[in-house]
Parts: sequence; C-alpha cells; structure tokens
Amino acid sequence: GAVVSQHPSWVICKSGTSVKIECRSLDFQATTMFWYRQFPKQSLMLMATSNEGSKATYEQGVEKDKFLINHASLTLSTLTVTSAHPEDSSFYICSASPEGVHEKLFFGSGTQLSVL
Amino acid sequence: AQRVTQPEKLLSVFKGAPVELKCNYSYSGSPELFWYVQYSRQRLQLLLRHISRESIKGFTADLNKGETSFHLKKPFAQEEDSAMYYCALSSYRNTGKLIFGQGTTLQVKP
Repeated sequence: GAVVSQHPSWVICKSGTSVKIECRSLDFQATTMFWYRQFPKQSLMLMATSNEGSKATYEQGVEKDKFLINHASLTLSTLTVTSAHPEDSSFYICSASPEGVHEKLFFGSGTQLSVL
Repeated sequence: AQRVTQPEKLLSVFKGAPVELKCNYSYSGSPELFWYVQYSRQRLQLLLRHISRESIKGFTADLNKGETSFHLKKPFAQEEDSAMYYCALSSYRNTGKLIFGQGTTLQVKP
C-alpha cells in the first residue's frame, strides 16, 4: 500500500533554534498534505493543510510564522518550527492522500520534538 | 462547533467479550465519520468509515444521526485488537481535514 515517510522520528533541540520536519509520499503524488500535532495523552489536532505550489492553510490559533510549511513538490511537504520553545515540544504527524480523498489518507509515523 | 467525543480513555475487556467503543459528535452539516486505529509502535491507519458500511477485522460502526453517535462494536474481542482507537470526523467538502476524538485505548486481556 501507499507509504508516507516522515523524518526525523525524533529530534531534540535547544530553545531558539529552528527544526525542519519532512513528510514524503513514497509511491504516490499528493497535492495536499496535512500536519497534525498531538500532546501526550491527547488527541490529534489539525494544524494546517499543505497545498502543493501554493500557501498552506492554517487552522485557527496556529501561528503561520511560527510553523512554516512548504510544499514545493508533489511528494514532499516540510514543517519548520521556527525559534522553538519548550512549549512547542510535541508529537507532530503528517498525512497525505494520493487522490485528495480521505478514504485513501495515509499517515506518517510521526516526529517527537523535544525543545530544551 | 465541530467536536468528536470519546468518553472512555481506557476500555479493558477479556478475550471473547463484546466490545463497544463510544463516539459522539457535534457537527452542523453532513459529516463523514471514521474510525482509525493505532497498534503499538505503528502508525495511524484507517479502520473503517461510515459510508462504506463495511466490517473490518470483525468491527462495525453504525452512524446514528439522531443520537449523533458512531460507536465501534465487535462481538468477540481478540488480543490482537488491543490498540488505540480514534473516532474522527470530516465534512464532505474538506476531505482529509479530520477532527479527532481523544482516543480510547482498548486492552484485551487473555
């Protein structure tokens, strides 16, 4: 089946630095990808919709200057957490669909970000 | 407001017992409801969706619009069913844009 690769699996960084997370669709093209955030023992919260070739659409309350999303190709979306702070520590998950319909929505394995 | 509620954080049953994972939703339009499952150390994957009205791994879920519920059921639980289960909702217009419930951990004891 289709695979979504997310890298890195975990990252530890110092406060004030920026961290980039990659989400790749390995065997299909995805015009749309989604970024979620999950706090410990809580649900997944949609952060933004990444659109290939255009600006991302952010959910209410998500700072677009803080969480930069780039979807430069049909197989790659990146999420950059800029000037990270300890409160940004979380589990970040991406998802993608080969045909833009959720019945074929595939999830990455997630990235655990820890900001010291 | 759009919301999905899973009232149980943990559901523990013995092997062979019936299972019902509860899910209630709040949505003003016509929702699509899903159940996703995450087995230990694996990524989230789709279990079933209400439109297809299918049974996957013995699980079924019926959308009850009157009660705004989409409970997940299985008549006889197996140990391999132990996992985290998420109920999720989307609109027909925003495919892929999912609103998740808090998740329920199902623990099936031998």
